[in-house]
Amino acid sequence: ELKVEQNPLFLSMQEGKNYTIYCNYSTTSDRLYWYRQDPGKSLESLFVLLSNGAVKQEGRLMASLDTKARLSTLHITAAVHDLSATYFCAVDLIQGAQKLVFGQGTRLTINP
Amino acid sequence: DVKVTQSSRYLVKRTGEKVFLECVQDMDHENMFWYRQDPGLGLRLIYFSYDVKMKEKGDIPEGYSVSREKKERFSLILESASTNQTSMYLCASTLSRLYEQYFGPGTRLTVT
Repeated sequence: ELKVEQNPLFLSMQEGKNYTIYCNYSTTSDRLYWYRQDPGKSLESLFVLLSNGAVKQEGRLMASLDTKARLSTLHITAAVHDLSATYFCAVDLIQGAQKLVFGQGTRLTINP
Repeated sequence: DVKVTQSSRYLVKRTGEKVFLECVQDMDHENMFWYRQDPGLGLRLIYFSYDVKMKEKGDIPEGYSVSREKKERFSLILESASTNQTSMYLCASTLSRLYEQYFGPGTRLTVT
């Protein structure tokens, strides 16, 4: 059974600081997705990582995938208040149709 | 832009009622999904469908059924609603497993 664990689950940080959210998963996979959810809203796709070593960047967010370590990271650079949200990683089981297993989510609060 | 819509944002039903949640996507996506989201548990997959009239169980199918008669529409049915089905229900669709899922706005269901 695939398990996906994020840490930390809660993160409060100051504007301008850097931090990393970690996503570990328990079985082989080479497809990992990051989503963002604002309070009271639905999920919005951030990154799709489809191979070992994949790195994607958008603004102050950068995501990477290490399939050998079964680890993905979401790095936040010089955080701004607008990045406050809950971030989910999701891993696709390697066979069959896309079937995502989500992490618990990391609630990120960025204080001015 | 992909648009995924859900029939209701908020729904209140009584225990034992039959409940229908509808989801429609406008981008000709093959794959559609139903999740429930509960605090601390992330998103859990209930059912998914990779083609019209095709369905597969997700991780928590008990107490639910689905219907996909047309490609753009995927319905979730609670045959006899119970209080433990109070949750946020999210529908999603994707073109294929190489792409991200697009989520609807969610239906917050309360069963009393």
